[in-house]
Amino acid sequence: AQSVTQLDSHVSVSEGTPVLLRCNYSSSYSPSLFWYVQHPNKGLQLLLKYTSAATLVKGINGFEAEFKKSETSFHLTKPSAHMSDAAEYFCVVRANTGGFKTIFGAGTRLFVKA
Amino acid sequence: ETGVTQTPRHLVMGMTNKKSLKCEQHLGHNAMYWYKQSAKKPLELMFVYSLEERVENNSVPSRFSPECPNSSHLFLHLHTLQPEDSALYLCASSPQGQGGEKLFFGSGTQLSVL
Repeated sequence: AQSVTQLDSHVSVSEGTPVLLRCNYSSSYSPSLFWYVQHPNKGLQLLLKYTSAATLVKGINGFEAEFKKSETSFHLTKPSAHMSDAAEYFCVVRANTGGFKTIFGAGTRLFVKA
Repeated sequence: ETGVTQTPRHLVMGMTNKKSLKCEQHLGHNAMYWYKQSAKKPLELMFVYSLEERVENNSVPSRFSPECPNSSHLFLHLHTLQPEDSALYLCASSPQGQGGEKLFFGSGTQLSVL
């Protein structure tokens, strides 16, 4: 069985300050983990993915995430927030054993203040 | 532009109407998905088609009827919907594989049931 928990429903930061969006997962199998971003009235766009290679994954727009197996976490970070980062972010887990089941977290809404 | 196109972008329908949502991808992917995104709830996987065969059906009411005539097109036929079915319906596609592939999402159809 798989599940994913995004620990914060809302995060608010000031422009230029670091961003931390937290995600914990559970999976019976070796997982693939993803972060997606959704801007208003748009579909979801992939930010980055982890598939058992390097534990620190770099994505688009300066985001990165670190896979920590011991903590079952996959937190998303960015050193300096930009106004355009304001959006909803989803942590996603899929099993690496095949199949199409994809479990989405409930989402974290990121607000960026000027 | 993700390569996945959904039409219409917005749809308002009465509970006795019949309508269809359309999704099209020309990415050469073999798997296509329907997701439902409601306010304050995680994305819900509704259906998955792989090589035009339905492989996932997550207890979706029969008033939603999917159709996948070929690997590039996916439809969601709607009839006698309820107001609680109002949501953003997202289509996605992925290469067929071992589960680690990313999903490519369309921009969604915002459905309102009156």
